[in-house]
Amino acid sequence: QKEVEQNSGPLSVPEGAIASLNCTYSDRGSQSFFWYRQYSGKSPELIMSIYSNGDKEDGRFTAQLNKASQYVSLLIRDSQPSDSATYLCAVTSGNTGKLIFGQGTTLQVKP
Amino acid sequence: NAGVMQNPRHLVRRRGQEARLRCSPMKGHSHVYWYRQLPEEGLKFMVYLQKENIIDESGMPKERFSAEFPKEGPSILRIQQVVRGDSAAYFCASSPQLRTGNYNEQFFGPGTRLTVL
Repeated sequence: QKEVEQNSGPLSVPEGAIASLNCTYSDRGSQSFFWYRQYSGKSPELIMSIYSNGDKEDGRFTAQLNKASQYVSLLIRDSQPSDSATYLCAVTSGNTGKLIFGQGTTLQVKP
Repeated sequence: NAGVMQNPRHLVRRRGQEARLRCSPMKGHSHVYWYRQLPEEGLKFMVYLQKENIIDESGMPKERFSAEFPKEGPSILRIQQVVRGDSAAYFCASSPQLRTGNYNEQFFGPGTRLTVL
């Protein structure tokens, strides 16, 4: 079983729609959860961090965490073509803060 | 520019040569992480360093790879006797002092694209 799992996609949504990205993780001891966006040929860019169960909103982005279900999600409202990228779910492992990444979900927002 | 800096951005080496990748963390950050992204694969943790200390090298290949973060200067990831399988994007990330509860946001540099001929 992979430590962090994401559906590779591609996930295709029309412009203006809500994109929903999901991630599950295996380590119950993980405490910190992150979403990164990576455009092709570029480096990962941090877009959301979440540490407690529930929702966290930042602009058009909402991260949701459910530790009991070991599930993290990212909602992108009013999706724009510029949101087209690969979204990486990352989870801390152990007590050094190292990140374990999922394979990423490719999002395509069609005009 | 207060972001994470990496150089070179692109590096071409022939098999058997050495590759040295440099990373300067964001101002005020004392923690450096190195990750590797092989073509069509995900990001994999390699090593975590603080100044003059290797904290976690559980992701480093056993041979040919080493890392350091000296008291002065950038962190260096060194690959000796490179092979074609080392061709990848190598990213450095930095974070501030760990807070209680293991919270730390990591910010990535632009990466070094290593090509081994």
